[in-house]
Amino acid sequence: KNQVEQSPQSLIILEGKNCTLQCNYTVSPFSNLRWYKQDTGRGPVSLTIMTFSENTKSNGRYTATLDADTKQSSLHITASQLSDSASYICVVSVSGGYQKVTFGIGTKLQVIP
Amino acid sequence: GAVVSQHPSRVICKSGTSVKIECRSLDFQATTMFWYRQFPKQSLMLMATSNEGSKATYEQGVEKDKFLINHASLTLSTLTVTSAHPEDSSFYICSAINYPGLAGGETQYFGPGTRLLVL
Repeated sequence: KNQVEQSPQSLIILEGKNCTLQCNYTVSPFSNLRWYKQDTGRGPVSLTIMTFSENTKSNGRYTATLDADTKQSSLHITASQLSDSASYICVVSVSGGYQKVTFGIGTKLQVIP
Repeated sequence: GAVVSQHPSRVICKSGTSVKIECRSLDFQATTMFWYRQFPKQSLMLMATSNEGSKATYEQGVEKDKFLINHASLTLSTLTVTSAHPEDSSFYICSAINYPGLAGGETQYFGPGTRLLVL
């Protein structure tokens, strides 16, 4: 069964601090992995996308890593801002079918002043 | 980046009525759109995949007669929740890609979501 597990479920950090979110998956055959940011009551917004051959991808203060061997990914947020407060969702796609996308439950991040 | 809009953003209706939610790709043609449902503190759950000009493909457990999907043009897909009940209250999100298939590199663009509350 394809699964995407994220940890921690929730996280509170001080503004300006860094944090790392984890994503473990058992999806196979792997196509790509995306990290999305979802503000409360809004649709997800793409942060990064990585294919099998990519092991790191940056988007501003967001840096995602991928270890396809261990099937793990992380999202590192540098110098957090209050606006980073949101849910961060890891999404893994299976190759060969656009409907075969598995979502993680997300990590709810709260940045406090 | 590409923009996907949804209308309405929020709707409250009485039990037994039908509600239509629109999903539009504003600056690209979306041959494929997806409809998701998200309950509080849960992940997005795919309901159906909608291809322009053909019948939608529903996920297991999703009633196609209750959740009517129409993808009549390359920029518009609609989801109609028929005879809505309180248990249908949820956050409905659509997404679109600009060509079939989600091979490596494409990005799914999500709409802002529609909050449905059935009384």
